Amino acid sequence: DQQVKQNSPSLSVQEGRISILNCDYTNSMFDYFLWYKKYPAEGPTFLISISSIKDKNEDGRFTVFLNKSAKHLSLHIVPSQPGDSAVYFCAYISYNTDKLIFGTGTRLQVFP
Amino acid sequence: EPEVTQTPSHQVTQMGQEVILRCVPISNHLYFYWYRQILGQKVEFLVSFYNNEISEKSEIFDDQFSVERPDGSNFTLKIRSTKLEDSAMYFCASSVLLANTGELFFGEGSRLTVL
Repeated sequence: DQQVKQNSPSLSVQEGRISILNCDYTNSMFDYFLWYKKYPAEGPTFLISISSIKDKNEDGRFTVFLNKSAKHLSLHIVPSQPGDSAVYFCAYISYNTDKLIFGTGTRLQVFP
Repeated sequence: EPEVTQTPSHQVTQMGQEVILRCVPISNHLYFYWYRQILGQKVEFLVSFYNNEISEKSEIFDDQFSVERPDGSNFTLKIRSTKLEDSAMYFCASSVLLANTGELFFGEGSRLTVL
């Protein structure tokens, strides 16, 4: 079964600098990896995704990198802004399933 | 912008009582989900629903849980006899076709507190 791990429970970054959030997985059978952002007392919101056939996807300040040989996923936010302060979850959809499985989350704090 | 709405935002109940959490998914979506997040833990999949039946469920979703789409717009989660460990934030979500886009739209959640 797929394991998705976010080994850093928290990250603190100064405004304007790059935030790098990491995610490791165990099983290569997946369709998509995604990043979701969650503010307190709100539902998760979709941020960016990457399919299994790509190694990079970019959307504005957000870039997701997929290293299939290392089974590693990362989200780069540059430049970081105070409004980016939230919990970030990596998640995946695997073949032939109908569900999104979330990692444990990393709390990002961007300070002025 | 269309959004998923959930009611109630917070419900407090006694252990053993039945609870119904309600959701109105985005109108043109076909796939519906319930997730939950126990305080400080990750967001966990409970159940997915398509074409008026459960398509997938987790081991958390035991006989105490049920889902229903009674009228073509609402999507409900019922917990028959609540336990203390059911205390969590419950999120409803919907999508057009998850495997196609990978994107779920979540509601703001219903906080359930079981005393």
